Amino acid sequence: GAGVSQTPSNKVTEKGKYVELRCDPISGHTALYWYRQSLGQGPEFLIYFQGTGAADDSGLPNDRFFAVRPEGSVSTLKIQRTERGDSAVYLCASATTANTGELFFGEGSRLTVL
Amino acid sequence: AQSVTQLGSHVSVSEGALVLLRCNYSSSVPPYLFWYVQYPNQGLQLLLKYTSAATLVKGINGFEAEFKKSETSFHLTKPSAHMSDAAEYFCAVRYYGGSQGNLIFGKGTKLSVKP
Repeated sequence: GAGVSQTPSNKVTEKGKYVELRCDPISGHTALYWYRQSLGQGPEFLIYFQGTGAADDSGLPNDRFFAVRPEGSVSTLKIQRTERGDSAVYLCASATTANTGELFFGEGSRLTVL
Repeated sequence: AQSVTQLGSHVSVSEGALVLLRCNYSSSVPPYLFWYVQYPNQGLQLLLKYTSAATLVKGINGFEAEFKKSETSFHLTKPSAHMSDAAEYFCAVRYYGGSQGNLIFGKGTKLSVKP
């Protein structure tokens, strides 16, 4: 597609449930990023991939969060045993390479944990 | 801890007035610096970036930013605001030695433009 696509755009779930958020990057972009944005805050880094491997996952808050990119294109962010504090907008971005800082962002997936 | 600070969560200007959005970073070594903009119901997009080639950087839509090492600042300006500039603006930094993927974002400044 022309831009970064994220699905679902909105997800409401109950505390304790499992959630998957999907990101389809711009074709040909080797770097893919996940950020989380809470109300009134800037995006907070979670993880980034260079190709299929996670090059830096230092931003993942705990082991309930996991992300994969098995074929070097689409990525899925997985959250187990969701908590109310996980409610936020999850942003995905892609870039031609990781060292330019020129990220192309999707519109985000808004997660609400009740 | 390395950080980036944006002064003012909300800035309001009249159409045609100067826009000044402030950004300061915390490092003795100048980092890579970026401004991103988020229009309503859209994803963030890159406005401009500083990578040490020139201290005055021009971006899209008439915006520019000046890197000042002595002030550890990278303020964003536009001489004449337009209604279409209403958006949220984020300053971001990538520090030398940091992860290539890890952009640190400020909290954002929401710009309102009055007719």
